[in-house]
Amino acid sequence: KNQVEQSPQSLIILEGKNCTLQCNYTVSPFSNLRWYKQDTGRGPVSLTIMTFSENTKSNGRYTATLDADTKQSSLHITASQLSDSASYICVVVTRRALTFGSGTRLQVQP
Amino acid sequence: GAVVSQHPSWVICKSGTSVKIECRSLDFQATTMFWYRQFPKQSLMLMATSNEGSKATYEQGVEKDKFLINHASLTLSTLTVTSAHPEDSSFYICSAMGPGGTYSYNEQFFGPGTRLTVL
Repeated sequence: KNQVEQSPQSLIILEGKNCTLQCNYTVSPFSNLRWYKQDTGRGPVSLTIMTFSENTKSNGRYTATLDADTKQSSLHITASQLSDSASYICVVVTRRALTFGSGTRLQVQP
Repeated sequence: GAVVSQHPSWVICKSGTSVKIECRSLDFQATTMFWYRQFPKQSLMLMATSNEGSKATYEQGVEKDKFLINHASLTLSTLTVTSAHPEDSSFYICSAMGPGGTYSYNEQFFGPGTRLTVL
């Protein structure tokens, strides 16, 4: 069964600190992996998209890594800001479907 | 990036009434749009795939007669929740597949969502 598991479920950090979110998947055949940021009451916004051959991709303070062999991905947030408070969703794409993780709820406190 | 809008952003209706939600791709043509629903603190659940000019494909367990989808143009898809009940209260999100390429590599651009509350 195709699954995407994210950890932790929730995370509280202080402003300015770094954090890393994890995503493990069993989806196959793998096409690409995406990280989205979803603010409360809003639709998801794409942060990164990585294909099989890409190990790392950055978007500003967000850096995603992918290990296709172990089927793991991570999203690292550097120098967190209050505006980073949101849910972060890992999505693994096959040829025919998207499989969503349940997300990590991040709260950045001043 | 491509912009997808939804209207309305929130709606409150009485039980038994029907509600229509619009999803528009503002600066690109989208042959395929998707409808999701999201319950509090849960991830998005795909309801149906909407293809322009053809019938929508519904996911297992989603009642096609209750959730009517019309994709009449390349920039507009609508979801109508018929005879809404309180259990239909949810956050409905649409997405549109970006132009060009194959499905696998096209990014989906999500709308801002519509909060439906059925009293």
